[in-house]
Amino acid sequence: GENVEQHPSTLSVQEGDSAVIKCTYSDSASNYFPWYKQELGKRPQLIIDIRSNVGEKKDQRIAVTLNKTAKHFSLHITETQPEDSAVYFCAASNSGGGADGLTFGKGTHLIIQP
Amino acid sequence: DAGVIQSPRHEVTEMGQEVTLRCKPISGHDYLFWYRQTMMRGLELLIYFNNNVPIDDSGMPEDRFSAKMPNASFSTLKIQPSEPRDSAVYFCASSLGEYNQPQHFGDGTRLSIL
Repeated sequence: GENVEQHPSTLSVQEGDSAVIKCTYSDSASNYFPWYKQELGKRPQLIIDIRSNVGEKKDQRIAVTLNKTAKHFSLHITETQPEDSAVYFCAASNSGGGADGLTFGKGTHLIIQP
Repeated sequence: DAGVIQSPRHEVTEMGQEVTLRCKPISGHDYLFWYRQTMMRGLELLIYFNNNVPIDDSGMPEDRFSAKMPNASFSTLKIQPSEPRDSAVYFCASSLGEYNQPQHFGDGTRLSIL
């Protein structure tokens, strides 16, 4: 089955700086890669996703890149703000024609230092 | 849109008791997923349904766990008998069945088995 590795487990950056979180996956058939943000005691919330036919996607301060050959994808957050502090999870799935369960990374605790 | 609704939000019970967790997916979504979150194992897929039919239950840890979806608007996850190691946050998520649609999570049930 799929295995998703996520690094780093903790990331501390100064407010206003950029943050980068990296994930690798093992199943070359995976074709959908969402990122979720989870605040303490809350549910995971989708912040951005990318499909395997696209190399990069951007939404305001958040961007995701995908390298299918190397089987890795990354989350980039620019101009970080205190409200960006949370745990971020990457995930992967292989949905042939419908949906499929997600395999999650172990999470990155992002700390924004004021 | 009310989102995915889970109940109860918190459950504390003694070892050996039966536990039933409930989920109402977003109206119109034809996929429903059950995930479990623990510090040690992170977010894990337990089982998912398509049009009320279980598609993949390979993540269900033991025979003590069972899940049903009697209709499009309701699913249950049952643990019988419960054990302390079942303590976790259990999330339900739903999605549309088209190619690679996002999964939307409920607020979760925090389960504590004493």
